[in-house]
Amino acid sequence: QSALTQPAAVSGSPGQSITISCTGTSSDIGYIYNFVSWYQQHPGKTPKLIIYDVTNRPSGVSNRFSGSKSGHTASLTISGLQAEDEADYYCNSYSSSGPSYVFGTGTKVTVL
Amino acid sequence: EVHLVESGGVLVQPGGSLRLSCAASGFTFSDYWMNWVRQAPGKGLEWVANINQDGSAKHYVDSVKGRFTISRDNAKSSLYLEMNSLRAEDSAVYYCARDRYSTGSLDSWGQGTLVTVSS
Repeated sequence: QSALTQPAAVSGSPGQSITISCTGTSSDIGYIYNFVSWYQQHPGKTPKLIIYDVTNRPSGVSNRFSGSKSGHTASLTISGLQAEDEADYYCNSYSSSGPSYVFGTGTKVTVL
Repeated sequence: EVHLVESGGVLVQPGGSLRLSCAASGFTFSDYWMNWVRQAPGKGLEWVANINQDGSAKHYVDSVKGRFTISRDNAKSSLYLEMNSLRAEDSAVYYCARDRYSTGSLDSWGQGTLVTVSS
């Protein structure tokens, strides 16, 4: 049940696209289930679900957010970067060891 | 509107016990898996435990197994976390969260309750 690995920080200019990776193992990200989700957390706020089941966006979430998975790595892409996207982002995956869920280490996104 | 309100967080000594509660409203509580997630000050999110709709299935992160117990009362639309043998590293804000699609899709979160373990 080790935390999934994310880059500590990613930055981009307004309008650019950025991608955040989330690397795990065959027991979690690479497992047969596509139970990968992504959360956005602004300072002092509660986490917000922005992607679930690898690629799905909840109602009300901007289509600038998209998710994907390949092998043991999941990715979150933010296109058309905006100032309001500056926040911490966490991936989460089902883990067959437990079973349980495991979060990523978190990525701070800075809009330059 | 979905509403989750945690309570019970306090300052407790190492080795002590605590019971957290989460009151749910705005949805049919008994239809959903429920979770506890914690976040130490300035740190990342850590999944702690979850429980299925009727309470017959419970899962925990390794670091709390044997010390924490998750439970629910569907008649009261309430989720609980019984915490024993508390350690300094258990200090965190504890959130309850609803799993919308039973796939770890935590779509609704409470505001959290702060647990501090210190002498």
